Amino acid sequence: EDQVTQSPEALRLQEGESSSLNCSYTVSGLRGLFWYRQDPGKGPEFLFTLYSAGEEKEKERLKATLTKKESFLHITAPKPEDSATYLCAVRGGRGSYIPTFGRGTSLIVHP
Amino acid sequence: DAGVIQSPRHEVTEMGQEVTLRCKPISGHNSLFWYRQTMMRGLELLIYFNNNVPIDDSGMPEDRFSAKMPNASFSTLKIQPSEPRDSAVYFCASSRRINDRGPYEQYFGPGTRLTVT
Repeated sequence: EDQVTQSPEALRLQEGESSSLNCSYTVSGLRGLFWYRQDPGKGPEFLFTLYSAGEEKEKERLKATLTKKESFLHITAPKPEDSATYLCAVRGGRGSYIPTFGRGTSLIVHP
Repeated sequence: DAGVIQSPRHEVTEMGQEVTLRCKPISGHNSLFWYRQTMMRGLELLIYFNNNVPIDDSGMPEDRFSAKMPNASFSTLKIQPSEPRDSAVYFCASSRRINDRGPYEQYFGPGTRLTVT
């Protein structure tokens, strides 16, 4: 069974204070690791897909990296508008191919 | 594209009443998912359709829940009778067809906040 664990559960940062969110996973034959952003009262919004270890993707202040066991979402010089819950999901290569989601990391960036 | 459309956005009903949630997926997407999100349990997959056919409904909590997808542009999730423990935010998501060449990201609707009193 695919498993995803995200840490920390909650993170408070000052504006400009860089940090990283962690997504640890176990999956049979990784077909994709996904990062989503969820704002209060809204549905998750797709950010990145990573396919293989060593891959990196960037979008504005966000950079996602992938190893064989975990993924990091690095946030560089965050702004208050980066405050949201960040969800990680993995899709394995066996079974029904349905993505498995983690519980998310709630990020608050203070001005 | 308008994205995934869900209605209603909010629903308040009394225990025992029937509730129907509606979803219009993104045009061209062949896979549709219904999720439930609560603080206690996070995001839970209820059912997954591929090409309008239910593929995996193992997440449907009990027989009170049913889902249909009569065509590629419409799906419903019905709860009958509703109970207070069904209170949650229900999301619909769509993606391109999932196959062994995947992985295809999901696009979520805005959700329906259901409150059962």
